[in-house]
Amino acid sequence: EPEVTQTPSHQVTQMGQEVILRCVPISNHLYFYWYRQILGQKVEFLVSFYNNEISEKSEIFDDQFSVERPDGSNFTLKIRSTKLEDSAMYFCASRGTGMAYNEQFFGPGTRLTVL
Amino acid sequence: AQTVTQSQPEMSVQEAETVTLSCTYDTSESNYYLFWYKQPPSRQMILVIRQEAYKQQNATENRFSVNFQKAAKSFSLKISDSQLGDTAMYFCAFIWWGSRLTFGEGTQLTVNP
Repeated sequence: EPEVTQTPSHQVTQMGQEVILRCVPISNHLYFYWYRQILGQKVEFLVSFYNNEISEKSEIFDDQFSVERPDGSNFTLKIRSTKLEDSAMYFCASRGTGMAYNEQFFGPGTRLTVL
Repeated sequence: AQTVTQSQPEMSVQEAETVTLSCTYDTSESNYYLFWYKQPPSRQMILVIRQEAYKQQNATENRFSVNFQKAAKSFSLKISDSQLGDTAMYFCAFIWWGSRLTFGEGTQLTVNP
């Protein structure tokens, strides 16, 4: 069964450093998402991406964040200058098209720890 | 804006018994989807069950079923014959036509042997 994959599973970084979180969505999916979950809190939407551009973003997704689909398979989330409060689990998700495929499939997540 | 509320932060149930998790939501849309996701300690998000708002029939997936009350904007999850592996955080989520998923706060379910 096809699945969304994410690398790395755990990333530790120093405050102020740049990090890139990587995702490989399901191959025939066209819509891509990033969510984050601070420990003990609910899952929050960050950004959605379609046709090589951002289709929607939340208030969390400020200028420190960017997304990119550098090739036909990867979907990345970059945080330019990490802050302590960026420590969270980051989930990538993807979905197909059409009403019957409104389901988003989640990857296993990347745990980001900012020291 | 859509909101999702789960009013039960924690619940527990004995193995083999039935438990119901509550969820309410608020939206002005008429066409939307509702989901229950399970998040075990590994923190992977696993889809449990989904409900299309235009369908009156409640969704069922094996031991999992929902009680969808559109007028009341209520979407509860019933787990029958609870198993130890059902221990997890359960999130109710709402989506309107491919836009962002909006999650509730979650309910931590513990199944006791």
